[in-house]
Amino acid sequence: AQKVTQAQTEISVVEKEDVTLDCVYETRDTTYYLFWYKQPPSGELVFLIRRNSFDEQNEISGRYSWNFQKSTSSFNFTITASQVVDSAVYFCALSEASRGNKLVFGAGTILRVKS
Amino acid sequence: DGGITQSPKYLFRKEGQNVTLSCEQNLNHDAMYWYRQDPGQGLRLIYYSQIVNDFQKGDIAEGYSVSREKKESFPLTVTSAQKNPTAFYLCASSTKRGGSSYEQYFGPGTRLTVT
Repeated sequence: AQKVTQAQTEISVVEKEDVTLDCVYETRDTTYYLFWYKQPPSGELVFLIRRNSFDEQNEISGRYSWNFQKSTSSFNFTITASQVVDSAVYFCALSEASRGNKLVFGAGTILRVKS
Repeated sequence: DGGITQSPKYLFRKEGQNVTLSCEQNLNHDAMYWYRQDPGQGLRLIYYSQIVNDFQKGDIAEGYSVSREKKESFPLTVTSAQKNPTAFYLCASSTKRGGSSYEQYFGPGTRLTVT
């Protein structure tokens, strides 16, 4: 069964701190995809990154970086030098190629960045 | 501008009434999805469609119905059979090529309140 666990319900940091959001997944497929989305207060989900199961390279995009480790079934997301605009709910999601591109979402982590 | 539109942003209905939420996309995406989000929870898949005139139930389809008569449009009807319809509803779309799982792009959502 698919499952995505985001154990951190809520994180509060002070601006300029680094913060890591954890994501652990379960799947029996060898081909699968992992995603991170950001949901600001407006409600619309914003796509951040997509990773397939065959690509374990870490990725950096500006202040964002992602650490994908198949050995621990984790796909963690780090924001460096956080800013108030980073305040949002962040969702990790999993899809399996065999299941028609259906996303299974974690419960989300609320990130609050205080100035 | 390409994107996904959902209307209205806020919708109020009396219990026992059916209500239809609209979702339109001009991204030329083949696949479209409806999700429901409840407070403190991740998104749950209601219905999805990978091609015109075809759709499949997601994890929580009971009390909902959809149609896909045009590629651009995927309206969701919340029927009176849905026991707890008050929620935030998000529509998404994605490209579909081969067996890969591509990122989904989301609309701004409709917040439905049923009293």
